[in-house]
Amino acid sequence: QSLLTQPPSASGTPGQKVTMSCSGTTSNIGSNPVSWYQQLPGTAPKLLIHSNNQRPSGVPDRFSGSKSGTSASLAISGLQSEDEADYYCAAWDDSLNGLFGEGTKLTVL
Amino acid sequence: EVQLVESGGGLVQPGGSLRLSCAASGFSFRDHYMDWIRQAPGKGLEWVGHIRNKARSYSTELAASVKGRFTLSRDDSKNSLYLQMNGLRTEDTAVYYCARLAMGTNWGLDLWGQGTTVTVSS
Repeated sequence: QSLLTQPPSASGTPGQKVTMSCSGTTSNIGSNPVSWYQQLPGTAPKLLIHSNNQRPSGVPDRFSGSKSGTSASLAISGLQSEDEADYYCAAWDDSLNGLFGEGTKLTVL
Repeated sequence: EVQLVESGGGLVQPGGSLRLSCAASGFSFRDHYMDWIRQAPGKGLEWVGHIRNKARSYSTELAASVKGRFTLSRDDSKNSLYLQMNGLRTEDTAVYYCARLAMGTNWGLDLWGQGTTVTVSS
């Protein structure tokens, strides 16, 4: 099963802005919206962004998403210690499969 | 309370079967498409399958890795989702999550259960 490509790790200091990427193909990110999920240690994933850049209610506006072509990005501004987590991008594929990225582990230094 | 609660996980031998359940409450379950996602120990998320609602004839999609072995079903009268797993392999060992597809999104999973653990081992 093919995956969306994410860097394995990212880091930043409190207050900084961090951006993480997600790369796919024309059959997934290139033709379908991207979602982003946050998974804190030992917990279920939480939807952060859907439809490329839409935040569900309750998600702080420090989190933002964007998409261009076959790539997408998640940005976190005003980094906080509680943002330390794994972040996954996701997109539906035209082959009628759901795809997740490999995940990026964010460390707040 | 709006929630999803999985159950049915456990230890099973390779080649065995297990049926997972996901009980929904606090929202109109019948209206939503539902998904199963799994996470092997120390690994990332892997999509398992997707079942649509009655309006879409309860049609399903399954990942290639489980097609022919796993079956998705739902009982809207019981607000429940099921994952029947047959021919289990060691690589099926994972925490299995059920998740709700948010209305009006392409594939935004806005509500997740706490997960149930499946261990396939002899």
